Amino acid sequence: DAKTTQPPSMDCAEGRAANLPCNHSTISGNEYVYWYRQIHSQGPQYIIHGLKNNETNEMASLIITEDRKSSTLILPHATLRDTAVYYCIVGDDDKVIFGPGTSLSVIP
Amino acid sequence: ETGVTQTPRHLVMGMTNKKSLKCEQHLGHNAMYWYKQSAKKPLELMFVYSLEERVENNSVPSRFSPECPNSSHLFLHLHTLQPEDSALYLCASSQEAGGTEAFFGQGTRLTVV
Repeated sequence: DAKTTQPPSMDCAEGRAANLPCNHSTISGNEYVYWYRQIHSQGPQYIIHGLKNNETNEMASLIITEDRKSSTLILPHATLRDTAVYYCIVGDDDKVIFGPGTSLSVIP
Repeated sequence: ETGVTQTPRHLVMGMTNKKSLKCEQHLGHNAMYWYKQSAKKPLELMFVYSLEERVENNSVPSRFSPECPNSSHLFLHLHTLQPEDSALYLCASSQEAGGTEAFFGQGTRLTVV
């Protein structure tokens, strides 16, 4: 399985964009990049995923570098409710395995 | 609501008890999963079922016994647990086993006393 590395924690001011980086230098050509988040005491919530093109939905944008070795999740206007642990994972027909993630704190 | 329902939400059990966790999804998914999340640890995959067949068992102790009677239901039978088994147990489902979008339930908070 391709492994991912993320910073353990980040702060972001409310209303500003939160940019969460993820390195996945061993990703293979058919593996997708997925982002989930987990708000305290709840189950993980799917955010977005992509293969090689940038993706955007109502929650976030996903920017994947051309070599696919890293990606960035962008929350365009962070709110206090976005405080959570954000997980970046890669997978194809393999299982979904979560690493430690980034604990994002949105500060008023 | 994600479409994946887990019951009970909270469970306290003694080390000699036998209990079961239930997971239900009506999303038409073919794969279901059990995860364990301990305090300050990342999610640990326990079991994977695809089309009601177990395809993954990540060295989970035998005191945890999964059951998948049909594609919509998944159980985790618990017996003679240890205090260190106290954790949040999460169920998930996806269209196919593996790296497709997974939908998670709210989890069962288990405390073993």
